[in-house]
Amino acid sequence: DTGVSQDPRHKITKRGQNVTFRCDPISEHNRLYWYRQTLGQGPEFLTYFQNEAQLEKSRLLSDRFSAERPKGSFSTLEIQRTEQGDSAMYLCASSSRRGATISNTEAFFGQGTRLTVV
Amino acid sequence: AQSVTQLGSHVSVSEGALVLLRCNYSSSVPPYLFWYVQYPNQGLQLLLKYTSAATLVKGINGFEAEFKKSETSFHLTKPSAHMSDAAEYFCAVTGGSQGNLIFGKGTKLSVKP
Repeated sequence: DTGVSQDPRHKITKRGQNVTFRCDPISEHNRLYWYRQTLGQGPEFLTYFQNEAQLEKSRLLSDRFSAERPKGSFSTLEIQRTEQGDSAMYLCASSSRRGATISNTEAFFGQGTRLTVV
Repeated sequence: AQSVTQLGSHVSVSEGALVLLRCNYSSSVPPYLFWYVQYPNQGLQLLLKYTSAATLVKGINGFEAEFKKSETSFHLTKPSAHMSDAAEYFCAVTGGSQGNLIFGKGTKLSVKP
């Protein structure tokens, strides 16, 4: 396993621009999660994929946010019309090989994408 | 609904001293609990997890945690702090049915020489 990879590591954008982040999970991990972490806070759940299906979305995921996981491999998180409040670290995590129970399996996190909206 | 509370946003210890980071949970079902560590500008790394097997859980880097149902606690300890332990530590509980984690606000550990 090469670990969860996120790209880019840092992104600075002007307010109103669109941004897209990519996450490559550990190969064969069928579950993928996106979290947002603001300064001084713990990560907060945004959305969850099992294979290519997006099965859960947090109320934090406004209409300006969209996530995809085509073919159940990598995932993208897009933020449209960015606002200063979107500035945060966006973390991706993957877990579980097929057949494992869901609640007690370890989630492996990427290093995150730090977004700064100016 | 599940939640975790970490008591103390900052903890400072001397090198070689005991580390104690506190976490209390609230859960309507038997919880699965985790401790993660985060170094500056990095992702999270799992230290240990409780999944209802043994109440005393040993993790990496000499850390351990004890699940106490009567106290709804899952405190993290290490007998002797090392400078390299300086980081932020997060307690988490499994949230919804999809295995997403609910994190506490974190405790920043400083280690003085």
